[in-house]
Amino acid sequence: AQSVSQHNHHVILSEAASLELGCNYSYGGTVNLFWYVQYPGQHLQLLLKYFSGDPLVKGIKGFEAEFIKSKFSFNLRKPSVQWSDTAEYFCAVNSGYALNFGKGTSLLVTP
Amino acid sequence: GAVVSQHPSWVICKSGTSVKIECRSLDFQATTMFWYRQFPKQSLMLMATSNEGSKATYEQGVEKDKFLINHASLTLSTLTVTSAHPEDSSFYICSARGALGGKETQYFGPGTRLLVL
Repeated sequence: AQSVSQHNHHVILSEAASLELGCNYSYGGTVNLFWYVQYPGQHLQLLLKYFSGDPLVKGIKGFEAEFIKSKFSFNLRKPSVQWSDTAEYFCAVNSGYALNFGKGTSLLVTP
Repeated sequence: GAVVSQHPSWVICKSGTSVKIECRSLDFQATTMFWYRQFPKQSLMLMATSNEGSKATYEQGVEKDKFLINHASLTLSTLTVTSAHPEDSSFYICSARGALGGKETQYFGPGTRLLVL
């Protein structure tokens, strides 16, 4: 069965620190990959997505993610986080059916 | 861009009542709609998948008679929580799958927060 795993459940960073959130999936076929963000009290928003082409994907708010097919990974990165990046981040994989989500990573950015 | 709307955005109801949540795709025709539920501090859990004009397919552990799904048109799906109880309090999110600009993808609604007293 397809699964999505996010390595870190809780991450605490100081402002200006670099961020990398891990995401691995288990599916051998063609996949579409997504990162969603949910700010406190708000709904899910799409950060970025990968369908094909350049494996380094740039999203909104300075986020980027790299698809490494050989490692079945799609890690999310940001070189310098801000307090406003405090949120929950979800990795999702679509193999042609419904989206399968990871359990999410809660990011707290301290001033 | 494509927009998926949900109505209502939040609802408070008494135990035993039924609540209907609407999910609409505004810019495209959604051949498939999905209903998710999000428990506090947890990820989204797929509840069911509905295709226009056919019966919904429920995930294991989701009660069909409790969560009624109707996908009457290519732009509207409804989820009815029947005889709601406090344990049904949750955040319900729909998503619609369709083609826009020749590319098929999935768009999420803003969610509906349900509180059952």
